[in-house]
Order: sequence, then structure tokens, then C-alpha cells
Amino acid sequence: GAGVSQSPSNKVTEKGKDVELRCDPISGHTALYWYRQSLGQGLEFLIYFQGNSAPDKSGLPSDRFSAERTGGSVSTLTIQRTQQEDSAVYLCASSLVGQETYEQYFGPGTRLTVT
Amino acid sequence: KNEVEQSPQNLTAQEGEFITINCSYSVGISALHWLQQHPGGGIVSLFMLSSGKKKHGRLIATINIQEKHSSLHITASHPRDSAVYICAASSGTYKYIFGTGTRLKVLA
Repeated sequence: GAGVSQSPSNKVTEKGKDVELRCDPISGHTALYWYRQSLGQGLEFLIYFQGNSAPDKSGLPSDRFSAERTGGSVSTLTIQRTQQEDSAVYLCASSLVGQETYEQYFGPGTRLTVT
Repeated sequence: KNEVEQSPQNLTAQEGEFITINCSYSVGISALHWLQQHPGGGIVSLFMLSSGKKKHGRLIATINIQEKHSSLHITASHPRDSAVYICAASSGTYKYIFGTGTRLKVLA
């Protein structure tokens, strides 16, 4: 079956513009996660969805970052007024349920470059 | 100090060599994950283990719960094994606690 997909694969934007990153999880997976990986850094948790609700937004770095999930499926991560420090690879993952014993499956990522 | 530490940070090996990457953690875990990230950025899950040893092809993962330590071994390494290998711990919640990764380069 299809894995996690993300679009676009690459995005170059000018500082100050808004961007939207999309994630399509594996069909039937109720849990969805967004991570960020800045150059040379480890993976940083951003937000977790269970169904359409986000019980954990603790990793969002500022109020310029928001995310939503509709229909228990597709999720969109929006970054408003992008800054150069937002440049990173944004990874999405999904799991059957949001419990520790369930493996997360990662998408290919979106490489965001803010110029 | 990070809750999940990996060593080495960078590793260069010749094709055919036996490779070991180490992961130590300071938290209680329910599972330990080994992930592989190729230059394109996508992450593939290699192993999820909570005890003992698992083997898949040329890859072997072991974990010692008492010592809070896990190792990833690659036998007969090949240039296509070149990637970043990431250790991640599941510790009581859905969140993964990630190590900073080991960048492996295998030379032909």
C-alpha cells in the first residue's frame, strides 16, 4: 500500500511569505506527527494529531506556525511570515494509533528554503 | 546531556567492513527504534526492539535494557549503506526521543 506522502518535496520562498506544507498519512492511521530537521540538527517534534484534534502542540516554535488536519486524513502545516531560521526539512509521520508501541512511518519530507 | 546519545557522530568505512553504531539512553523506554535517513531526507524504520536482538539482512540490532544501550551493526558494508542512522526511544508516550544521528559513509 501507499506510504506517507508529502508535498511539495522542495519549496523555496522569500522571507515574509506564507507557506503551506501538506502531508498524506497512511490510510487508516489515526495518529499524525510533524517534525522539523534543521541543517546539521536532530529531529525536533512540532505537533501531534489524534484524528482531527491536536492534543499536543508543544513543539510549535512560534505562533507563526499552525497545523490542521481534516477528515482524519490530510494535514497541512502553515508557516506565516517565514523567516530564514525556518529553513529546514519538515517531516511528517503517521502511526495506527498514538501510542508508544505503535511504530511511526515517515514521509519523504519537504525541504523548505527561505531566502 | 541529551536523553539519547549516539556515537560516533561521523563514521567512514571501507566497503566490506563491519560497522557498529552505538546508542545510549537515560530514560526508561518501552521500545528503541533505529531509523535510516538517506541524503534525500526520507526516513525509513529499520528496527523497533524492546529486548534482545533482531536481524534483517546484513543489519543487526541489539539492546541491553540493564545497561540502557543499543547497537546497530552492519555486516559486509556497501556504499549504498551510506546514510544517517538515527536512534530513537519511545518512553511512555507516543513521542520519539531522537538521538542526533550518525553519519555513515562507506567508500568503494
